[in-house]
Amino acid sequence: LAKTTQPISMDSYEGQEVNITCSHNNIATNDYITWYQQFPSQGPRFIIQGYKTKVTNEVASLFIPADRKSSTLSLPRVSLSDTAVYYCLVGGGMDSNYQLIWGAGTKLIIKP
Amino acid sequence: DAGVTQSPTHLIKTRGQHVTLRCSPISGHKSVSWYQQVLGQGPQFIFQYYEKEERGRGNFPDRFSARQFPNYSSELNVNALLLGDSALYLCASSLRDRGINEQFFGPGTRLTVL
Repeated sequence: LAKTTQPISMDSYEGQEVNITCSHNNIATNDYITWYQQFPSQGPRFIIQGYKTKVTNEVASLFIPADRKSSTLSLPRVSLSDTAVYYCLVGGGMDSNYQLIWGAGTKLIIKP
Repeated sequence: DAGVTQSPTHLIKTRGQHVTLRCSPISGHKSVSWYQQVLGQGPQFIFQYYEKEERGRGNFPDRFSARQFPNYSSELNVNALLLGDSALYLCASSLRDRGINEQFFGPGTRLTVL
């Protein structure tokens, strides 16, 4: 099963764009890449999911290069409420027995 | 519509006891997954059920078991509790069991084993 590596923590300021990169060298051909956000004492919340190239929704963009060995979550114009732990997951495909592998997460702190 | 609900919210048990955690998925969701999250770590997959059948199992001992009922609610059972079982237990529901599939998480059950 593929393993993910992401920075333990990151700091940024309100109004800035934040990019969090995740490494997943052993991603299987039919695995997906998914990002979740988690606030303290809450369950994770889905942010975005993709397979290749670029995916954009109302809250974030996900950039996936052609080799799919990494991915970058981009949060535009962050606010204090974006302070949370962000998890990069790979899996969900047949080769991973449809399981999702969670990494340790990136603790993002947004400062005023 | 109500989100994923879990009960109880908090639970304190002693070593060797048994515990049952409950989860109600979002209406219309047929897949339920269980995760264990130890403080400071990411969630670890325990089980997935879809249409009352086990579709996936993580690397957990046989002390952990689960089932899904005809109304798609689910129970997670843990026998012979150990101190290391203390964690936040998360339930997630989704429409499908695989592929592009957003999981919706409940608030979790905080289990403390003394």
